[in-house]
Amino acid sequence: AQTVTQSQPEMSVQEAETVTLSCTYDTSESDYYLFWYKQPPSRQMILVIRQEAYKQQNATENRFSVNFQKAAKSFSLKISDSQLGDAAMYFCAYTPTNTGNQFYFGTGTSLTVIP
Amino acid sequence: DAGVTQSPTHLIKTRGQQVTLRCSPKSGHDTVSWYQQALGQGPQFIFQYYEEEERQRGNFPDRFSGHQFPNYSSELNVNALLLGDSALYLCASSSPGLAPDTQYFGPGTRLTVL
Repeated sequence: AQTVTQSQPEMSVQEAETVTLSCTYDTSESDYYLFWYKQPPSRQMILVIRQEAYKQQNATENRFSVNFQKAAKSFSLKISDSQLGDAAMYFCAYTPTNTGNQFYFGTGTSLTVIP
Repeated sequence: DAGVTQSPTHLIKTRGQQVTLRCSPKSGHDTVSWYQQALGQGPQFIFQYYEEEERQRGNFPDRFSGHQFPNYSSELNVNALLLGDSALYLCASSSPGLAPDTQYFGPGTRLTVL
């Protein structure tokens, strides 16, 4: 079974500080993609960052970076210099490359940014 | 480019009724996937349509059905509604020739079953 686990239902961070959101996944596939999505109260799911499993280098997008540990099946998201606009639900997602974009999502982490 | 659009925004139905939700994909996308997101949960894959056929299906009963039209827009139909069908229904569009990160999500339809 392919599952995605986010063990932190809620997290908080002071504005301008750094926070790390955790995600683990279970799969027998060797080729897949991992994603972090942000879902603000407006409900629109927005892609934050993606990682291709065959790439050892951790992905980075401006203030967002990941720590991808393939052997441990771990995929954490680090948000640096947190901003008020970062407050949202964050979902970790996984898709094998052979399923035509069928995504498996975790249960989400609600991030609060404290001014 | 309007992106992925969904209608209606909100919907209230009673148990046993039937509902139809609609999705228009992003321009240039020909594949539509539907997800159900229960309150406090992550989205769960319902099914995917490509070339007007259901290509993949998640673990959902036959009460959930869909359709894709020649213009790539799609409908999700749910029959014999149950209280547990109350959720946010998300539509995502993509194209087989593109990498997975080009899957775009719509704003969702909030379905409440009373």
